[in-house]
Amino acid sequence: DAGVTQSPTHLIKTRGQQVTLRCSPKSGHDTVSWYQQALGQGPQFIFQYYEEEERQRGNFPDRFSGHQFPNYSSELNVNALLLGDSALYLCASSPTRDTQYFGPGTRLTVL
Amino acid sequence: AQSVTQLGSHVSVSEGALVLLRCNYSSSVPPYLFWYVQYPNQGLQLLLKYTTGATLVKGINGFEAEFKKSETSFHLTKPSAHMSDAAEYFCAVSDWRDAGNKLTFGGGTRVLVKP
Repeated sequence: DAGVTQSPTHLIKTRGQQVTLRCSPKSGHDTVSWYQQALGQGPQFIFQYYEEEERQRGNFPDRFSGHQFPNYSSELNVNALLLGDSALYLCASSPTRDTQYFGPGTRLTVL
Repeated sequence: AQSVTQLGSHVSVSEGALVLLRCNYSSSVPPYLFWYVQYPNQGLQLLLKYTTGATLVKGINGFEAEFKKSETSFHLTKPSAHMSDAAEYFCAVSDWRDAGNKLTFGGGTRVLVKP
């Protein structure tokens, strides 16, 4: 059984650009959450998707948006990139009301 | 709102010594509690979790944690450290009423194991 997968592994962007990160959940998991982990800090919740809708959102600006597809996979989009958006972006999947399992993350560097 | 405090951003232990990582939480409702481990350049791996029932929880790799409601704590221990335990450890809390089980993390504790 494949775990949570994320792509790409790394990417480098410049300020003002837009980026899309992708996540495939574990088989049978219908909920996908995204977290941002800045260097030396704990992960911070960005938002969560369930049944193709955003169910919860953390304290992140509207530049951060997402999508969930019918197969439960998800995308995280960030517009107008800032230097401060450089971080490890983690995707986690879970069945409803159950433990979250994390992917390996996408390392985003904004120059 | 929930919050998590991990005392000590860095801990150094000798191989074979006790590992003790401290976690205190703040929550207005009975929490679900988690410990995750992160190895360099990797995602988070679940070590153990407390939801209900027995307050002493055993996890993978010989780790265990005890939920103490009166102290609002969920400290992680391992009797004998191994070199492979060198990693960063995160304590997290969620609200049992939350269908999505959103996690709030502490700042993490980096463990160094000396030979």
